[in-house]
Amino acid sequence: KAGVTQTPRYLIKTRGQQVTLSCSPISGHRSVSWYQQTPGQGLQFLFEYFSETQRNKGNFPGRFSGRQFSNSRSEMNVSTLELGDSALYLCASSLTGMGSPLHFGNGTRLTVT
Amino acid sequence: QKEVEQNSGPLSVPEGAIASLNCTYSDRGSQSFFWYRQYSGKSPELIMSIYSNGDQEDGRFTAQLNKASQYVSLLIRDSQPSDSATYLCAVNNGGGGNKLTFGTGTQLKVEL
Repeated sequence: KAGVTQTPRYLIKTRGQQVTLSCSPISGHRSVSWYQQTPGQGLQFLFEYFSETQRNKGNFPGRFSGRQFSNSRSEMNVSTLELGDSALYLCASSLTGMGSPLHFGNGTRLTVT
Repeated sequence: QKEVEQNSGPLSVPEGAIASLNCTYSDRGSQSFFWYRQYSGKSPELIMSIYSNGDQEDGRFTAQLNKASQYVSLLIRDSQPSDSATYLCAVNNGGGGNKLTFGTGTQLKVEL
């Protein structure tokens, strides 16, 4: 079974631009979560989607948004990029959510210059 | 107080020894607990899941949960150099959905 697929793997953007990251979950997984990982803050929860609905949201500004499609694929958007948004963005899927383990993709490394 | 706390390490153990990694959490309502391994430059990989008090074993790995003490640990028996990585403890507080709170990780070094 294919794992979680994230595209692109690497992105370089300049301040003020916006970016869209994509995630395809493991087949049959309906919950998709997004995390930001930085050396200083570790893994920080961004949001979780289940059946196209945002079920949980972390403490990030409104510049960070996401959505989930009917095939469970998910996208995350960051608008008006700041230098501090440079991070590894990880998508994870789980079978149903509600305590089932997360399976992570390889991540998208975003660099903002 | 951080929600999930881990000693950042590095924890150094000789090859063949038992590595013991510890994690404490603050939310008594937490219901699901996970250990992830992350190699440098890679994404986290699920090692163990544990949901009830006691031990959960899988090969060389044993996860231990004590909800009364709000403590979860991971034991790695017969440690190998390939076990050298950062180990992340993650907790789901059961508030709905599947939001995990991660510790900052413990770096493990297995020395020859």
